[in-house]
Parts: sequence; C-alpha cells; structure tokens
Amino acid sequence: NFMLTQPHSVSESPGKTVTISCTRSSGSIASKNVQWHQQRPGSSPTTVIYENNQRPSGVPDRFSGSIDSSSNSASLTISGLKTEDEADYYCHSYDNSNHRVFGGGTKLTVL
Amino acid sequence: QVQLVQSGAEVKKPGASVKVSCRASGYTFTSFGLSWVRQAPGQGLEWMGWITGYNGDTKYAENFQGRVSLTRDASTGTAYMELRRLRSDDTAIYYCARDAGAYYPFDLWGQGTLVTVSS
Repeated sequence: NFMLTQPHSVSESPGKTVTISCTRSSGSIASKNVQWHQQRPGSSPTTVIYENNQRPSGVPDRFSGSIDSSSNSASLTISGLKTEDEADYYCHSYDNSNHRVFGGGTKLTVL
Repeated sequence: QVQLVQSGAEVKKPGASVKVSCRASGYTFTSFGLSWVRQAPGQGLEWMGWITGYNGDTKYAENFQGRVSLTRDASTGTAYMELRRLRSDDTAIYYCARDAGAYYPFDLWGQGTLVTVSS
C-alpha cells in the first residue's frame, strides 16, 4: 500500500497564505481523489476539501485544494489566515480497493 | 437535525472486546456509508473500515482485519464497530463519519467515543 506524507508543522502570520503538502509514496496522486480535514483541539474533524479541490458548503473560499502530478502531491492552501484556522490538517486518499489512507497530519500555527 | 450520535466512553481490560454505536438522524441512513476512524492520544487519524448503510457491505483496513467487525441496523439507523482482543495501544477516540465514497466529503462526523484499555 502507499503512504501520504505531510509536514509535521507549519506556521504563518495572520493575513498571510500557507500551503500544506501531502505527498503520495507510490501510485499516481491523480489516480484517486484527495480530501482534507481540519481538526481543532478537542473537536471532531471537519472536511474542508473533497474531490481534490471542492469545498463543502459552509467552507470559506479562503480554502483551496490542488494536485500536482510532477511532485505526486496534493496541496491545501489557506489564504487570508485567521487565528481560527489554527488546527491540525489531515489529507486522505484511496487505494485501488477504495480503502481510505490518511496522512500523518500537519499542525498549523497562526502567530 | 442531521447528526451522528455515538455511545459513551468505555473502559476495558486487555483482551476484552468493545462495541461502539453510531446513531444517524436527519437523513436517509440507507443512502450513505459510514467510515470508522480512530485517534490515539496525541496521534493522527487512522481509518479502520467502512460500511454501507444500504446492505451492510464492508471494507476493513489491513491493520484491523480479523479484529474489527462493522455492522448496522437499518431499522434504527445505527451502525456498530466492535473491536476484539483489545490492547493498551487501542486506547483512542473512535469516530464515525458519513462517507458516501471518493466523490463526496466526509460531511458529518460523530462526537467521538473514548475507549480506554487498561488493566
């Protein structure tokens, strides 16, 4: 099976833009859809991106997703950072049997 | 309203089994699947398996194959996750999440159930 590798942590200032990567270890990142989940401390996760770049209703357009076949990775970009965006972010995708695979998570600090 | 409500916290001894429930309301249970995801203390999310509300078909993560069973009762809109032969490293929060497949978001999550395994 494959792994999804995320940076352990990223930090940026309010109002700036940050990008979190999710690199697939084997197989094409474009072969299966990628989702991104946000988890604030003490809360259940919520999904901020699905189908690589789609936002569920209620998710602000400051959140965007993309995939890059050249680096075999997906990215979550958050623009106009707010302190409320401080959370852990997880990518997930699917293997050929449609089993779900999660990345290890990235802690975003907005300072 | 549309929600997933999970059963309460459990404390179990090593070697025992635990069964966590996830009751759906506000939507047609048989039109969606449910994934189970766990999170050990201070760790990331780990997918355990998926069950369809329609006919109970299941998929299990390799790490849990043979030790976990997912079932559902369509008449009550409730899904169940049973984990057997518990070990201390099974101590985690267990979540259910509505999961209609790769083209749809995990758009609804339960509140989580803490399972503590301790002698």
